[in-house]
Amino acid sequence: QLQLQESGPGLVKTSETLSLTCAVSGASVSRKNNYWGWVRQTPGRGLEWIGHIYVSGSTYSNPSLESRVTISLDTSRNHFSLRLTSVTAADTALYYCVRLLDPPDQNGMDVWGQGTAVTVSS
Amino acid sequence: QSVLTQPPSVSGAPGQRVTISCTGSNSNIGAGYDVLWYQQVPGTAPRLLIFANTNRPSGVPDRFSGSKSATSASLAITGLQAEDEADYYCQSFDTNLSGSWVFGAGTKVTVL
Repeated sequence: QLQLQESGPGLVKTSETLSLTCAVSGASVSRKNNYWGWVRQTPGRGLEWIGHIYVSGSTYSNPSLESRVTISLDTSRNHFSLRLTSVTAADTALYYCVRLLDPPDQNGMDVWGQGTAVTVSS
Repeated sequence: QSVLTQPPSVSGAPGQRVTISCTGSNSNIGAGYDVLWYQQVPGTAPRLLIFANTNRPSGVPDRFSGSKSATSASLAITGLQAEDEADYYCQSFDTNLSGSWVFGAGTKVTVL
């Protein structure tokens, strides 16, 4: 059974870089027809798609975050990562990693991690 | 303010049928993009409930059904049960602002 587990610091300082990792078990991140992505949730803005990546390395990001977002795959460790630069308080959220099946716009996010809370503060 | 509009809340007695609307526009649902629905029980991660407008993943009870028409979509729950009390979100793709996947703000379903 596919499982996802987020990890990373729960507190990040303003203007620094947020880095999260999602460990994948029960499947290989190299598997075809699988995309791996990130979604965040806040009480004020609800659910927000951050972006996702395919095994080919192609990435798709929310235009509102694109300039600050990097999503990468590490096939040797079977995990994928999120980097968000120049964070502000507005990036404080619960971050989820997700799996999407091809084609993702039809099949959506069918597996979710439990989420990890990140607070941005000076 | 989301580009997909959902009612903040709906409620129903056990056994009743409730529907949740998701109203979009010609830049998302009306442009032919699929609608997906997620259920989120408080304190847990969202769960995919409906994909490609009308399809249920394995394990989702057939009490849940989705539909799509023009610029809107709906999620129906028939035979409402206490365990259905949760937040429900619709999701689609929007072509405005260079294109982005978008979620509705969510609808709280209360079982009376």
